[in-house]
Amino acid sequence: DVKVTQSSRYLVKRTGEKVFLECVQDMDHENMFWYRQDPGLGLRLIYFSYDVKMKEKGDIPEGYSVSREKKERFSLILESASTNQTSMYLCASSLANSPLHFGNGTRLTVT
Amino acid sequence: AQTVTQSQPEMSVQEAETVTLSCTYDTSESDYYLFWYKQPPSRQMILVIRQEAYKQQNATENRFSVNFQKAAKSFSLKISDSQLGDAAMYFCAYTPLWSNTGKLIFGQGTTLQVKP
Repeated sequence: DVKVTQSSRYLVKRTGEKVFLECVQDMDHENMFWYRQDPGLGLRLIYFSYDVKMKEKGDIPEGYSVSREKKERFSLILESASTNQTSMYLCASSLANSPLHFGNGTRLTVT
Repeated sequence: AQTVTQSQPEMSVQEAETVTLSCTYDTSESDYYLFWYKQPPSRQMILVIRQEAYKQQNATENRFSVNFQKAAKSFSLKISDSQLGDAAMYFCAYTPLWSNTGKLIFGQGTTLQVKP
């Protein structure tokens, strides 16, 4: 079974802090994704990566950046956390033309 | 723009009964995939069912089946013999066939309550 692991289940940070959300997958998937989940809005794509060091903006990239130095790891970075980035963050991975496999999510609170 | 709409924020069903969750989408593509994902309280998103738009036959997976109406751009999920473990948030999602990145567009989600 594919395992997608997000480093933190819950995270509380202060406004202005730099925040790193880490995601690791163990199935050699090319594609990795960061989604944000908010009530009434569903999941919205922040960034995705289709190869090491490759990244593309999703629908809501503002305030975020990503890093993919190794195939198995995809990091989401909040350069200066703000209260409107309080949300659930979901990482996913996939092979080409295959369904996504998701991690358990990180619930981030920015105070 | 491609969009996915789930117009039912919440639904409830009695255990052992049948419930249908609605989903509509908008796209100019002719070939695409549609999905239903389940997110239980554990937060682990689980793929329930996948439909290829070029297949006319509706996908089924045990107690889960879809009613895919391509012309109407409608993709509803039917859960038969509902069980307490079916209680979750359900998301409808879309991706065009040409997109080998697997990037999905999700609907807003429907929370399903199952009453004993």
